[in-house]
Amino acid sequence: NAGVIQTPRHKVTGKGQEATLWCEPISGHSAVFWYRQTIVQGLEFLTYFRNQAPIDDSGMPKERFSAQMPNQSHSTLKIQSTQPQDSAVYLCASSLEGVGNTLYFGAGTRLSVL
Amino acid sequence: GDSVTQTEGPVTVSESESLIINCTYSATSIAYPNLFWYVRYPGEGLQLLLKVITAGQKGSSRGFEATYNKETTSFHLQKASVQESDSAVYYCALGLTGNTGKLIFGLGTTLQVQP
Repeated sequence: NAGVIQTPRHKVTGKGQEATLWCEPISGHSAVFWYRQTIVQGLEFLTYFRNQAPIDDSGMPKERFSAQMPNQSHSTLKIQSTQPQDSAVYLCASSLEGVGNTLYFGAGTRLSVL
Repeated sequence: GDSVTQTEGPVTVSESESLIINCTYSATSIAYPNLFWYVRYPGEGLQLLLKVITAGQKGSSRGFEATYNKETTSFHLQKASVQESDSAVYYCALGLTGNTGKLIFGLGTTLQVQP
């Protein structure tokens, strides 16, 4: 079990460019979550999928951010027209149905917008 | 709203001393949330330390303990004798909905254990 895999580990973009972050959940896990971590805000929930269907995107900024889960083995978080305030560590997590919210986190992608 | 407040760090203690990191929560959308402590050791990813899903119960792991107190809406993390290897960032979290619902995290508490 390789755990949750996130790529790339670090991404540097220029202001206005697009950034796509990838996540491969643990095989067999039914739920995938995206969080954003900054020093000021801490760990902020963005969105989650269950069995590939979007369930709750209440934490997603309404503009420029989108997430997909085209199959059970990967999810993507796309940020269009990146801004310096998007700089953060983006964490993906997955969980297994029926075990009380226990999330397994990836190592994260550090996004730096210059 | 739903939120978690925990001890603001950094917290510095000497090896073999006792430790308590306070955590209180507010859960308006669910009566009995699941409660968690996650930890990030240096150079590692965020991982579960312990969890309790029943009010009044205690969870334990790696010498740490936390009791789910519904009356005081608290879930303080304690350890009787810390080790240098316990140096890490600790996050308290509550789980809101169902078995695969999202978690709400506190801001984290950095623990530094001096040899």
